[in-house]
Amino acid sequence: DQQVKQNSPSLSVQEGRISILNCDYTNSMFDYFLWYKKYPAEGPTFLISISSIKDKNEDGRFTVFLNKSAKHLSLHIVPSQPGDSAVYFCATHSGNTPLVFGKGTRLSVIA
Amino acid sequence: GAGVSQSPSNKVTEKGKDVELRCDPISGHTALYWYRQSLGQGLEFLIYFQGNSAPDKSGLPSDRFSAERTGGSVSTLTIQRTQQEDSAVYLCASRRGGGATDTQYFGPGTRLTVL
Repeated sequence: DQQVKQNSPSLSVQEGRISILNCDYTNSMFDYFLWYKKYPAEGPTFLISISSIKDKNEDGRFTVFLNKSAKHLSLHIVPSQPGDSAVYFCATHSGNTPLVFGKGTRLSVIA
Repeated sequence: GAGVSQSPSNKVTEKGKDVELRCDPISGHTALYWYRQSLGQGLEFLIYFQGNSAPDKSGLPSDRFSAERTGGSVSTLTIQRTQQEDSAVYLCASRRGGGATDTQYFGPGTRLTVL
């Protein structure tokens, strides 16, 4: 029973366009949300996070949106670059509990 | 500064053998986590160490899995009598403290293949 769902296993986007990665969660107790990026043969790298008290957090080309009522968050990358091609994991937790991860979305940015 | 390191990077073993996987967290990080990622799956939590507290073992899939953290630093994950379904990438992460917003930093992982 998945608590965190990334329903799109893959996404292809043209370079320079916007990439939108989506994530849904089931537990309303989750209060901190993160996106990790993973290249092959490397561990996940922290990208951006958002607390449940906010609905948007922006860091350069990356913006995370949180819709608590819908239990949905999304990661926007604009403009997308070929170096953004990786697997993106959505993760969440509450308090000090371990992270719960989605299965990931493989983003391919085509030049 | 140095990140989280794991060894070995790859391990191939025969079914029924025991294996030990090592994690060196970032210096000064008090929290340490083990996860595993099976093919096509997300990261699955295994065990969590926080300072001197008793570890949270709630994610360990069976009693064949155990982990230690010596001196509050290096951790070893041991899998006894390995099975083919144990094949996965085992990832270690560390975090500076117990704060809910502290980021977890991951090592490169150990790819375990059980033949």
